[in-house]
Amino acid sequence: SQTIHQWPATLVQPVGSPLSLECTVEGTSNPNLYWYRQAAGRGLQLLFYSVGIGQISSEVPQNLSASRPQDRQFILSSKKLLLSDSGFYLCAWSVGGGTYNSPLHFGNGTRLTVT
Amino acid sequence: AQSVAQPEDQVNVAEGNPLTVKCTYSVSGNPYLFWYVQYPNRGLQFLLKYITGDNLVKGSYGFEAEFNKSQTSFHLKKPSALVSDSALYFCAVRDGAGGFKTIFGAGTRLFVKA
Repeated sequence: SQTIHQWPATLVQPVGSPLSLECTVEGTSNPNLYWYRQAAGRGLQLLFYSVGIGQISSEVPQNLSASRPQDRQFILSSKKLLLSDSGFYLCAWSVGGGTYNSPLHFGNGTRLTVT
Repeated sequence: AQSVAQPEDQVNVAEGNPLTVKCTYSVSGNPYLFWYVQYPNRGLQFLLKYITGDNLVKGSYGFEAEFNKSQTSFHLKKPSALVSDSALYFCAVRDGAGGFKTIFGAGTRLFVKA
């Protein structure tokens, strides 16, 4: 069966520090991968999605970036964090290979607090 | 561009009563529609989806949803609510014309009172 791992679970970082959040998926090949941010326990904002290694689509211009160095690895990064980057970051995957009707499967999230 | 509206921030229902959580959507192509549930400090869990076919879709934990194309709605329903159903519910849409982006509504918090 497929599993998704996301870490760390919580993170407190000072303003201006770098960020690296990692997500890996097991049990499937060539998944579509997604990063979402959830603010104040409500709506989800799509940040990035990827349909293959090295293919990243950015939805919101900001100081975050994403990379997919391996098929089942998705990394969210920042060179300098802002206070407004605080939130709950969720990684998700769906079946790839041109399958459009697969639901998303989410990790347990990372709660980031920028101080 | 696709969008989703969940008009109710919160829905309150007594245990044993039926529940409805509303969702309307906008998408240029045929819609792929999804419902998810989120418990505190966790990721979202998939409940059910509509892709094509029967307008009434059945999913996990006794939930179902009805697709209405003319009203562009996809309301989540359950005949008899449980206290354990209390959680945050999200409706989501993907453009069936070939997009990979899934857009979520703002969420509706469901409280089921014993």
